[in-house]
Amino acid sequence: KQEVTQIPAALSVPEGENLVLNCSFTDSAIYNLQWFRQDPGKGLTSLLLIQSSQREQTSGRLNASLDKSSGRSTLYIAASQPGDSATYLCAVLRIGGGADGLTFGKGTHLIIQP
Amino acid sequence: SAVISQKPSRDICQRGTSLTIQCQVDSQVTMMFWYRQQPGQSLTLIATANQGSEATYESGFVIDKFPISRPNLTFSTLTVSNMSPEDSSIYLCSVGQAWGYTFGSGTRLTVV
Repeated sequence: KQEVTQIPAALSVPEGENLVLNCSFTDSAIYNLQWFRQDPGKGLTSLLLIQSSQREQTSGRLNASLDKSSGRSTLYIAASQPGDSATYLCAVLRIGGGADGLTFGKGTHLIIQP
Repeated sequence: SAVISQKPSRDICQRGTSLTIQCQVDSQVTMMFWYRQQPGQSLTLIATANQGSEATYESGFVIDKFPISRPNLTFSTLTVSNMSPEDSSIYLCSVGQAWGYTFGSGTRLTVV
């Protein structure tokens, strides 16, 4: 059974810092990996999707990497801003698992101090 | 990507009653997914809903408690039946496409 772990569980940093959020998964037979953002009491906003054949994806100040063989992904946030404060979730879709939905980590609760 | 409209956005319900959550997608999709997010926890898949067939439930979730309808390729409902305070959670619907999964804005349910 796929398990997804996110480290750290919580992180608080001053505005302007660059930071890295970590995600690991136990079964490397994944179709893709997706990073989401969730604001308190709200739904999920997709940030980046990395297909299993890709190594990284970039969108603005966000960069996500994937090392499928080691079962790891990182989300890099450059020049953090208070508006980046949210919970960041990592989720994987297993190969052939289109009918299974995503497996989620527990998230990293990020606070950017003004 | 698909746009999902989910309602209600929140509700406060009495124990023993039922609540039906609706999700409308702006395009036709084969599968829709329903998730639960308990306070302080991550998302857990409740069931997968295909049009024209019964939903497939994950371990720990049963049809009598969480009946799902999927009358067409753009719409689905999840009912939370005979509610108890333990059902207080955020419920989200989702669709999966080649470019990733999209989620509704969620329904925040409080059972008192």
